[in-house]
Amino acid sequence: DAGVTQSPTHLIKTRGQHVTLRCSPISGHKSVSWYQQVLGQGPQFIFQYYEKEERGRGNFPDRFSARQFPNYSSELNVNALLLGDSALYLCASSLRMGLAGVDYEQYFGPGTRLTVT
Amino acid sequence: GNSVTQMEGPVTLSEEAFLTINCTYTATGYPSLFWYVQYPGEGLQLLLKATKADDKGSNKGFEATYRKETTSFHLEKGSVQVSDSAVYFCALVSSTGKLIFGQGTTLQVKP
Repeated sequence: DAGVTQSPTHLIKTRGQHVTLRCSPISGHKSVSWYQQVLGQGPQFIFQYYEKEERGRGNFPDRFSARQFPNYSSELNVNALLLGDSALYLCASSLRMGLAGVDYEQYFGPGTRLTVT
Repeated sequence: GNSVTQMEGPVTLSEEAFLTINCTYTATGYPSLFWYVQYPGEGLQLLLKATKADDKGSNKGFEATYRKETTSFHLEKGSVQVSDSAVYFCALVSSTGKLIFGQGTTLQVKP
């Protein structure tokens, strides 16, 4: 079975531009989460979607938005790019939403490396 | 709020040495705990997990025990290999379902 796939692999954009990143979850998984990993740091939670609805949002500005499609794939959009948006963007899928104390696994894709110049 | 703290790296060891990477957490309730590994240029891979107190997660020779009394989940391996060189992240899942990661610990194993 295919794992989580993300596209593109790498991307170079200029400040002020807009970017769309794409993610396809593992077949049968209904939850997709997005994380931003700045070089040398741990991933930071951006969004979680489950059954096409936003179920959680991290501490990111409104320039960041996302959506989930009927086939459970997802897009992350970032407007008005800043140099500080340069990072590895990771998508993770899971069968269901994780809850504390309940068996829960998120499977990560290889990420999209975004460079803003 | 929820948080995860890991020991700072890099950790440099010789092959076959014993490994410990410390991880402590702050959380409400009893979250599930995880160790993820990230090899150079790759995404995150789940290494092991524990879902309740005193559970021991294990995989590929790595182990970690969920210690509620010390709010810790230290990663150990008895004999590291060069191929274990990577960045290791400790994480918990919050009551709202998001993963909260530590800052990561780089492990370098020399032959």
